[in-house]
Amino acid sequence: QVQLQESGPGLVKSSGTLSLTCAVSGASVNNNNWWGWVRQPPGKGLEWIGDIYHSGSANYSPSLKSRVIISVDNSRNQFSLNLNSVTAADTAVYYCARVSSGGYYDYWGQGTLVTVSS
Amino acid sequence: QVVLTQSPSASASLGASVKLTCTLDSEHSIYSIAWHQRQPERGPHFLMKLNSDGTHIKGDGIPDRFSGSSSGAERYLTISSLQSDDEADYFCQTWHTGIRVFGSGTKLTVL
Repeated sequence: QVQLQESGPGLVKSSGTLSLTCAVSGASVNNNNWWGWVRQPPGKGLEWIGDIYHSGSANYSPSLKSRVIISVDNSRNQFSLNLNSVTAADTAVYYCARVSSGGYYDYWGQGTLVTVSS
Repeated sequence: QVVLTQSPSASASLGASVKLTCTLDSEHSIYSIAWHQRQPERGPHFLMKLNSDGTHIKGDGIPDRFSGSSSGAERYLTISSLQSDDEADYFCQTWHTGIRVFGSGTKLTVL
């Protein structure tokens, strides 16, 4: 069974960098899947952040592209999210997920709440 | 830009059926979508991929109570024999040239 687990600081200072890691078990990040990050701000809907392939090729949301880097570590079977210059608007539950061969997310992590403090 | 539209809320009684709708914008009316469920305090769970012709592929362990259908630009998720733990947020998702898009989600209340 594929499992994903997010980890990282739950509190980040405004203007700082949000960094999260997604550990994958039951599957290899080095196979033919993309791996992605999604977030949900309080009281709002889901927002796609971006996806990465094991080669390092990545796609990002146009609205976040200037502040986001997603990377993959094949040796540790995990991938990471870095979002810089954060503000209160970046406070959200952050989810990692696997993209199926069909293009949809088929496995999700439980999510982690990140709060941006002033 | 693909747009997915969902009603913010729905409700139905325990044991009854409910049909949730996800509507694609007219330019992308033939796109496939995925339905996901997010129960309170839990991460999302993939339910099914739904094609424009109504065919669908379910996720692992998804019961027969969950079914999908399509009509034009509308994609439906029908949940029958509602149970209390079906009370959750249901959202649709699609994808286009490497970009992924979500609907705003429907909060289902089981009465």
